[in-house]
Amino acid sequence: EAGVVQSPRYKIIEKKQPVAFWCNPISGHNTLYWYLQNLGQGPELLIRYENEEAVDDSQLPKDRFSAERLKGVDSTLKIQPAELGDSAVYLCASSQGAFSGELFFGEGSRLTVL
Amino acid sequence: AQSVTQPDIHITVSEGASLELRCNYSYGATPYLFWYVQSPGQGLQLLLKYFSGDTLVQGIKGFEAEFKRSQSSFNLRKPSVHWSDAAEYFCAVGARTNAGKSTFGDGTTLTVKP
Repeated sequence: EAGVVQSPRYKIIEKKQPVAFWCNPISGHNTLYWYLQNLGQGPELLIRYENEEAVDDSQLPKDRFSAERLKGVDSTLKIQPAELGDSAVYLCASSQGAFSGELFFGEGSRLTVL
Repeated sequence: AQSVTQPDIHITVSEGASLELRCNYSYGATPYLFWYVQSPGQGLQLLLKYFSGDTLVQGIKGFEAEFKRSQSSFNLRKPSVHWSDAAEYFCAVGARTNAGKSTFGDGTTLTVKP
């Protein structure tokens, strides 16, 4: 069974440029999460989807960040425009449901903003 | 609000020695508790979880953890460390009403000396 797939693995952009990250969760997992991981810190939740509905986006900086999960499967996280402080690893995770407890993580997308 | 503290940023142990990684949490009731491991450049992998019942839980790779309600702790242990255990370890707490919204500690980096 394939795990959570993320792309790109690495992205280097200049500030004020846009960037997008893509995530394909494990087949059958209806819950999808985007986490932000800064260097030396644990992951912090940005947004959680139940199927195609964003049920928790309280930590998503909505002025520059957006996310979508149109068909309830794969998801895209976008930053526009990127700032220097956005340099981090963006992790996607999925689970069989919010109450299952176990998150399955992708390898992450490392963003460097110059 | 829930929170997690991992007091040790970095721990070094010799191969074959025992290991204990500390985790303290703050939560208003009995939480869901998790330990994840992250190897360099990889996503997080679940080692073990506590939901209810026996307070000593067994996980993968020979790890175990003990939930101590009186101390608000969930320390991770392994009797004999292998060089391949070198990684970063994250403790997380999840709300019983929403286990998917896990809050992570900042992690402990484990170095294993030959």
